[in-house]
Amino acid sequence: EVQLVQSGAEVKKPGESLKISCKGSGYSFATYWIAWVRQMPGKGLEWMGIIYPGDSDTRYSPSFQGQVTISADKSISTAYLQWGGLKASDTAMYYCARPYCSGGTCYSKPFDMWGQGTMVAVSS
Amino acid sequence: QSVLTQPPSVSAAPGQKVTISCSGSSSNIGNNYVFWYQQLPGTAPKLLIYDNNKRPSGIPDRFSGSKSGTSVTLGITGLQTGDEADYYCGTWDSSLSAGVFGGGTKLTVL
Repeated sequence: EVQLVQSGAEVKKPGESLKISCKGSGYSFATYWIAWVRQMPGKGLEWMGIIYPGDSDTRYSPSFQGQVTISADKSISTAYLQWGGLKASDTAMYYCARPYCSGGTCYSKPFDMWGQGTMVAVSS
Repeated sequence: QSVLTQPPSVSAAPGQKVTISCSGSSSNIGNNYVFWYQQLPGTAPKLLIYDNNKRPSGIPDRFSGSKSGTSVTLGITGLQTGDEADYYCGTWDSSLSAGVFGGGTKLTVL
């Protein structure tokens, strides 16, 4: 079965670091981009950035550049989203998602597969 | 403030038709393919429409997409209570070099 499975919910304090994961299975992980999408409580979807595990080519939304780091380890079919110092405003559901096509030019394509989401709560 | 503009909410009765609009600019909708997602409460989004008007396998033909200039429209006919969800348009923005979404539209089936 083709799927993306994300790590579990996190509760953190402001200033702490965090790395959440998204593991792909059932397909050639290295040849499909993986994106991260934020959804703050009661709000809409926000495109954060995308990585091509094959060569770690990464694109960030200007809104998230410098705020988070996206990485991937193709040897274990896992993508990551990390923060160096969390803020309360980072409280949100974070989804990883995969475009419907494979290859280096598919970064702009829509996502036909989504992870189940990882809830991150940041509070003192 | 989202790059793409959608109405916050729409509503219609079961069996009726509803349309959801999404407007942007030449850097996004005007020169790129648009897609639509459905997000049922408490679940991850699901792709409904891609390349402006194509449906992935398994999506009923009650759902349709159209594009004109820098605006797109999602149409849903034969409304069912199970269609109650949030709907998002999305595309690539060539100026931002990033994906963008609309703010989402909550569909209520009265």
